[in-house]
Amino acid sequence: DAMVIQNPRYQVTQFGKPVTLSCSQTLNHNVMYWYQQKSSQAPKLLFHYYDKDFNNEADTPDNFQSRRPNTSFCFLDIRSPGLGDAAMYLCATSGGRGNNEQFFGPGTRLTVL
Amino acid sequence: AQSVAQPEDQVNVAEGNPLTVKCTYSVSGNPYLFWYVQYPNRGLQFLLKYITGDNLVKGSYGFEAEFNKSQTSFHLKKPSALVSDSALYFCAVSPGMDSNYQLIWGAGTKLIIKP
Repeated sequence: DAMVIQNPRYQVTQFGKPVTLSCSQTLNHNVMYWYQQKSSQAPKLLFHYYDKDFNNEADTPDNFQSRRPNTSFCFLDIRSPGLGDAAMYLCATSGGRGNNEQFFGPGTRLTVL
Repeated sequence: AQSVAQPEDQVNVAEGNPLTVKCTYSVSGNPYLFWYVQYPNRGLQFLLKYITGDNLVKGSYGFEAEFNKSQTSFHLKKPSALVSDSALYFCAVSPGMDSNYQLIWGAGTKLIIKP
């Protein structure tokens, strides 16, 4: 089945230690998104790619970076995680054809010690 | 500013009763409207969408939603609630072709179905 896969599902890191979260998709979608979600709040968009075009939200901290080496994969790098970065990180994709229906992965729960 | 409102943080319903989760929006143009559900420690799952056509949209797990353009609402409904429907529900709106591929999200409504 076509899907969005996130690895790992749970990630524990130490304060200040860089961490990379992975997302892959078999939907062949043009657009990939990274969201941060804290404690049952609405997901907060960090950035998205349309193909290789990167779009950063204005309030996304510089501590968060992303890479999309090809259509299928997208990575979220947190350069120096702080306690406030503990959250669920959601990857999503869409076909980019106007209605913007988004397909989500299961998420990565990040814990910062 | 464009926005989506889910006026209830939490909705409590007895099993077997009908449920409604409310959503209103303030978006220019002809928006596309979505409902997603999230179970604990899981990603968001698509429930249904309105793009155009019939105002009553049917989706997964017996849910439906009614688009009301004059009231700018897109309330989620189900005729008979199940305990397994207990989850977090998000309404989201795409402003249409000029959306830059983004959705505007409501704050979410926690639905609790009591046996």
